[in-house]
Amino acid sequence: AQKVTQAQTEISVVEKEDVTLDCVYETRDTTYYLFWYKQPPSGELVFLIRRNSFDEQNEISGRYSWNFQKSTSSFNFTITASQVVDSAVYFCALKEDPGTASKLTFGTGTRLQVTL
Amino acid sequence: DGGITQSPKYLFRKEGQNVTLSCEQNLNHDAMYWYRQDPGQGLRLIYYSQIVNDFQKGDIAEGYSVSREKKESFPLTVTSAQKNPTAFYLCASSITGGTGTEAFFGQGTRLTVV
Repeated sequence: AQKVTQAQTEISVVEKEDVTLDCVYETRDTTYYLFWYKQPPSGELVFLIRRNSFDEQNEISGRYSWNFQKSTSSFNFTITASQVVDSAVYFCALKEDPGTASKLTFGTGTRLQVTL
Repeated sequence: DGGITQSPKYLFRKEGQNVTLSCEQNLNHDAMYWYRQDPGQGLRLIYYSQIVNDFQKGDIAEGYSVSREKKESFPLTVTSAQKNPTAFYLCASSITGGTGTEAFFGQGTRLTVV
């Protein structure tokens, strides 16, 4: 069965610090997708990134970067020079069998608090 | 603007009542989903639908029912059989087929039993 683990329940940093959110996943499929979502206090989940199992190229988008390593089943997310607006709950999710409307399996989320 | 609309934002239910949560999308997505979120937990799948007039149970379907009469709409009914319905409910949609596309979420409905 598929599983996503986000061991960090809550992280607090001071603005401008770099912060890495960890995500470890389990799946028996060779084809799967990984996602990161952000949930601000308003409640809506905002899509951040998608990565498929065949593409281990790491990605940088502005202050965000992602490190996908199949060897360790990890898909970590780093925010560089954090800002107060980054404060939110971040979810990592796994989707098997991407050709259908199969379910997303979510981790329990990491609450990030960025203070001045 | 395209998106997913959930209503109401807040809902209060008395013990023993059924309530229906609305979810409408204008993204022309085939697949729609309902998730439940409890404090400190991730999202858990209640039901999902890949096409009109068809839907499947998720991990925690007991005490819930859905319908998919139109592509744009996927209402969720929380029945009196759901013993602990107080939670935050999120509706999502996505395209199906091809690549593993992301799901887009509504702003959620917070249900409280009083």
